[in-house]
Amino acid sequence: EVQLVESGGGLVQPGGSLRLSCAASGFTFNSYWMHWVRQAPGKGLLWVSRINGDGRRTTYADSVKGRFTISRDNAKNTLYLQMNSLRAEDTAVYYCARDPDYNGFSFMDVWGKGTTVTVSS
Amino acid sequence: DIQMTQSPSSLSASVGDRVTITCRAGQNIRNYLNWFQQKPGKAPKLLIYAASSLQSGVPSRISGSGSGTDFTLTISSLQPEDSATYYCQQSYSTPYTFGRGTKLEI
Repeated sequence: EVQLVESGGGLVQPGGSLRLSCAASGFTFNSYWMHWVRQAPGKGLLWVSRINGDGRRTTYADSVKGRFTISRDNAKNTLYLQMNSLRAEDTAVYYCARDPDYNGFSFMDVWGKGTTVTVSS
Repeated sequence: DIQMTQSPSSLSASVGDRVTITCRAGQNIRNYLNWFQQKPGKAPKLLIYAASSLQSGVPSRISGSGSGTDFTLTISSLQPEDSATYYCQQSYSTPYTFGRGTKLEI
């Protein structure tokens, strides 16, 4: 079964750091782009970052650039999001998602259940 | 950034109805447009990719169309389980952007 399971969320103070993980199973992890998408309470979806299969190409939303780092360990089939200098506005459910980049089309076809990050003092 | 404008923001319909949700991109995105369904407390689910390609396992009463800047998601013969929020998303260029969502009540 294809599955993504996020972990690492929690309560952190403003200015603090957190590392999210996304464990993948049931597919050839290194063949897929991966994304992080977040959703603030009661709000819509916001794309955060993406990384290609070998981890050499990354892209970020402006709101997190310079503070967040996406990475992956293909030997462990795990995606990461290192979040530094956290702000209250980073409070959200963070989802990881798989992207088959099929025929040049990027789309998120498998999603994890999400992990909740709360930034508050 | 490419702005994605969805309408309506909410709508109410009945079982068996046909509904259409529209999404307009701020620039030509060809057919790099995806649609998702999200139910409360759940992760989004991919319905349509590349504007009109039905994701595996999604019922055929759901369809997508459009190209360029104007796109539609159509659900024919609404079922109770279609009650959800629907989002469009462009994958033409990063940062990938989503519409604000359309809440469908049945």
